[in-house]
Amino acid sequence: DVKVTQSSRYLVKRTGEKVFLECVQDMDHENMFWYRQDPGLGLRLIYFSYDVKMKEKGDIPEGYSVSREKKERFSLILESASTNQTSMYLCASTLGTGGDWRYEQYFGPGTRLTVT
Amino acid sequence: ILNVEQSPQSLHVQEGDSTNFTCSFPSSNFYALHWYRWETAKSPEALFVMTLNGDEKKKGRISATLNTKEGYSYLYIKGSQPEDSATYLCAFIDSGAGSYQLTFGKGTKLSVIP
Repeated sequence: DVKVTQSSRYLVKRTGEKVFLECVQDMDHENMFWYRQDPGLGLRLIYFSYDVKMKEKGDIPEGYSVSREKKERFSLILESASTNQTSMYLCASTLGTGGDWRYEQYFGPGTRLTVT
Repeated sequence: ILNVEQSPQSLHVQEGDSTNFTCSFPSSNFYALHWYRWETAKSPEALFVMTLNGDEKKKGRISATLNTKEGYSYLYIKGSQPEDSATYLCAFIDSGAGSYQLTFGKGTKLSVIP
């Protein structure tokens, strides 16, 4: 079974803190993604990576950065957390190379982040 | 920003009823359409990846059809069971966008009443 794991299910942070969300997949997938889910909105892509050390901005990258030092691990960083970053964060990975995303995405269980 | 619409937003059905819902997407530059099921407290799980006009896919009691020329896909559930209760997401991939990103709809939340 493909497994995508995320470091925390629930996280509470204070405004201004630096926050790290970690994602690990065990299927040697090249493509990895970070999304956020907010009530009344579809999943929105923050950043993606199609190879180690490669990253591309998604639809809403402002206030976020990412790191991919190893193929299996993709980290989302909130440089200075703000209350409008309170959300559910989902990590995903997929087969395919160089941005071929016809293949199904495998999602982690999500991290519900609250910024107070 | 691409517009991917799902309808209805939510619905309640009785156990045993069949149901269907719609995903609408731009009819130009079609690349692929994904369907996912997202149960509460679980990870979204892929149901289907559809790439060709006229595609019909089936997994147990769930099936999907695709019409890329008119820009819609239907998801059907036959004989709904309580375990089918979930949010069903569709995601469209646009070949004209360069980076082939998935654009998700807001989902259809299905509740099956025992």
